[in-house]
Amino acid sequence: QSALTQPASVSGSPGQSITISCTGPSSDVVNYNYVSWYQQHPGEAPKLMIYDVNKRPSGVSNRFSGSKSGNTASLTISGLQAEDEADYYCSSSPTSSTLWVFGGGTKLTVL
Amino acid sequence: QVQLVESGGGVVQPGRSLRLSCAASGFAFSDYGMHWVRQAPGQGLEWVAIIWSDGHKKFYADSVEGRFTISRDNSKNTLYLHMNSLRAEDTAVYYCTRRTYGGNSFDYWGQGALVTVSS
Repeated sequence: QSALTQPASVSGSPGQSITISCTGPSSDVVNYNYVSWYQQHPGEAPKLMIYDVNKRPSGVSNRFSGSKSGNTASLTISGLQAEDEADYYCSSSPTSSTLWVFGGGTKLTVL
Repeated sequence: QVQLVESGGGVVQPGRSLRLSCAASGFAFSDYGMHWVRQAPGQGLEWVAIIWSDGHKKFYADSVEGRFTISRDNSKNTLYLHMNSLRAEDTAVYYCTRRTYGGNSFDYWGQGALVTVSS
């Protein structure tokens, strides 16, 4: 069982916006200042989409954005496109009591 | 461009050993920390181990501590994962990933190497 909880699945129609949450226990376990998000298409390696809560690597569409509030980090995808259909994972960097951890993953379906 | 290419995967019997390699190119390998992350069939991602850029610090997930050893050869731009006392639950695709410079995310990933532990 992961220290980070994500919904198993979310869905949306093309053009809509969706948000995937990533929730953990206290900040002793999860470093909410350094949450990152990864996209994984079937049969492919994961790809970094957001790092340090809300920063986008070069080449990642600005339709992808990250935020945090309290013990919850979120990934928002606006203007959904068919190619956004994939699994998404959040991850947190080390704290005094844990090392790197991943959330259980969220399957995004574009209807 | 950054490339990470894993090799050494295969089918191995429980209790046996296997070594994975990850050949890095397109960046200054010796400047970056490197991780191994694995993914069991149909499951999510699990962090396995990290090695600092100079190889002096290493940390492991509890599930592999004492059985797996991460190492690197900066002269060969290669990362390794030595896996001993393999168990069925170690069956997974193993990804070599680069630690973001000065940060804590995984910014580049290899294509993965499948390790199957089965008698």
